[in-house]
Amino acid sequence: GQNIDQPTEMTATEGAIVQINCTYQTSGFNGLFWYQQHAGEAPTFLSYNVLDGLEEKGRFSSFLSRSKGYSYLLLKELQMKDSASYLCAVRDSNYQLIWGAGTKLIIKP
Amino acid sequence: ETGVTQTPRHLVMGMTNKKSLKCEQHLGHNAMYWYKQSAKKPLELMFVYSLEERVENNSVPSRFSPECPNSSHLFLHLHTLQPEDSALYLCASSQVEGDTFVTGELFFGEGSRLTVL
Repeated sequence: GQNIDQPTEMTATEGAIVQINCTYQTSGFNGLFWYQQHAGEAPTFLSYNVLDGLEEKGRFSSFLSRSKGYSYLLLKELQMKDSASYLCAVRDSNYQLIWGAGTKLIIKP
Repeated sequence: ETGVTQTPRHLVMGMTNKKSLKCEQHLGHNAMYWYKQSAKKPLELMFVYSLEERVENNSVPSRFSPECPNSSHLFLHLHTLQPEDSALYLCASSQVEGDTFVTGELFFGEGSRLTVL
């Protein structure tokens, strides 16, 4: 079957750096997405990786290794507003999105 | 107007009630989706409409009935639901290209929180 694994919950300190990992086993690969979802709000798109390497976008970066079935989302200079759930999703060979259960990130002062 | 709007935001219903969830997108996209989000579980895709035709129905029970009257509006009609159907129901839209249904990023609404008593 198809599977996306990511930690259920992580805690980090304001101003620090945190890395949220995502591993996947899917039928083919056509890209990996990261979404952010604040409590009670809509998920919003953060990043998209289809080639190996690091994509940087301000304080957020996303890394992909297709050979390892692995991605991470790196958040720098953490702010309290970064407290949210982070969803990893992989597009398989049929262009279907396979979702992880999300990682709840708690930022402490 | 925000990109994708869902109403109502909260809904409590009994198992014998009939209600509907509404979604409207103002982004000019050609595909719309219903997802179910339960605590600590991955998003579950329920239905997909592309150009107002249903292209996917992921073995969803018949007590959920979707309707897509045009490319901007999507409904989810609910009847004789079960308590386990309590969840957040998310609507999303995207721009789809080609026969292989390659979709760009999804734009989500804020969801309708459903509680079935």
